[in-house]
Amino acid sequence: AQKVTQAQTEISVVEKEDVTLDCVYETRDTTYYLFWYKQPPSGELVFLIRRNSFDEQNEISGRYSWNFQKSTSSFNFTITASQVVDSAVYFCALIPNNAGNMLTFGGGTRLMVKP
Amino acid sequence: KAGVTQTPRYLIKTRGQQVTLSCSPISGHRSVSWYQQTPGQGLQFLFEYFSETQRNKGNFPGRFSGRQFSNSRSEMNVSTLELGDSALYLCASSLGDSLTDTQYFGPGTRLTVL
Repeated sequence: AQKVTQAQTEISVVEKEDVTLDCVYETRDTTYYLFWYKQPPSGELVFLIRRNSFDEQNEISGRYSWNFQKSTSSFNFTITASQVVDSAVYFCALIPNNAGNMLTFGGGTRLMVKP
Repeated sequence: KAGVTQTPRYLIKTRGQQVTLSCSPISGHRSVSWYQQTPGQGLQFLFEYFSETQRNKGNFPGRFSGRQFSNSRSEMNVSTLELGDSALYLCASSLGDSLTDTQYFGPGTRLTVL
């Protein structure tokens, strides 16, 4: 079975601070896919990024960056110069290659960015 | 391109009743998955439909069922509602060609069982 752990349940920062959301996963599969989703107060899960287990290159998209390290089974998400609009719950998720289309989610990290 | 739509957005039912939720996927997407989100259990996979067939199923009782129509729209039904069924029900669609396609979520239906 697979598991995703987001140890930080809640983080509070002041606008313009950098913040890193941690994600640790467990799976026996050698091929798998990792995702990050954002859930604003409206409730909809917004897709942010997808990475496969063979691509350990870090990725940057504007103020967002992701650090994937297979050696530590981690897929951390950093927001640079946070903004109030970044306030949301962020979920890390995993699909092993043989698990069907079933996302396994972490418990989520609630990020509060204060002005 | 329009996103995933779910109706209704809010629903209040009483114990013992049944409920049907609807989901329209992104145009061209053939896979629809359903998830339940509660404060205690987090986000849990219910089932996935592809080409009108259930392709995967999570660990939920038989009171939870679903179906998919030829236009890829999907419905899920919960019979004999219990208080613990109060949750946000999220639908996600994906192309479906691969079992690991990116899933795009709708705004959810918030079900309250009294």
